[in-house]
Amino acid sequence: GAVVSQHPSWVICKSGTSVKIECRSLDFQATTMFWYRQFPKQSLMLMATSNEGSKATYEQGVEKDKFLINHASLTLSTLTVTSAHPEDSSFYICSARDPQDINYGYTFGSGTRLTVV
Amino acid sequence: GNSVTQMEGPVTLSEEAFLTINCTYTATGYPSLFWYVQYPGEGLQLLLKATKADDKGSNKGFEATYRKETTSFHLEKGSVQVSDSAVYFCALSGVSGSARQLTFGSGTQLTVLP
Repeated sequence: GAVVSQHPSWVICKSGTSVKIECRSLDFQATTMFWYRQFPKQSLMLMATSNEGSKATYEQGVEKDKFLINHASLTLSTLTVTSAHPEDSSFYICSARDPQDINYGYTFGSGTRLTVV
Repeated sequence: GNSVTQMEGPVTLSEEAFLTINCTYTATGYPSLFWYVQYPGEGLQLLLKATKADDKGSNKGFEATYRKETTSFHLEKGSVQVSDSAVYFCALSGVSGSARQLTFGSGTQLTVLP
């Protein structure tokens, strides 16, 4: 089945630095990928939709300059948290849909635990 | 817009007990419905799905039936195991365009005691 690889699985960074998270579709091409944020014991909040070769579509309330998304190829999307602060600490998850899956199957990465100190 | 209402947890059961987690939805047209499971510190894994009314999704002993008349997709398992302890999310995906993105319920924490 479809596999999405997310890296790193956890990262600790200092306030003011930037962190990049990668999301790769390993065995399919994904023109669209999704980035979610999850707070402890809460559901997933869609942050943005990453579109290959064009600008990402951000959800209301998500800062575009804070959370930079790049989808330069059909198998890779990156999320960069710029000038990170402790309030950015969270669990970030990406997902992608295999366009060959006619049943709209979404595959998720294993998530990235970001801690800003 | 689309929305998913999920039974609030946490739910605590003894091993071999019967499990039901309720899920209802609001959507236009005929969405696809999903149950995802999240183990501690991990991403989401697709547990089962149904793409049209009266379809039954099943996997690992879990089942859910797409009921359009009641707009529901309740998750059931006849005999839970300790290894089923996780957070379960009900979700839907619309038909086209931006509606295809997943809309999640709030999640239900399940703890199974030996």
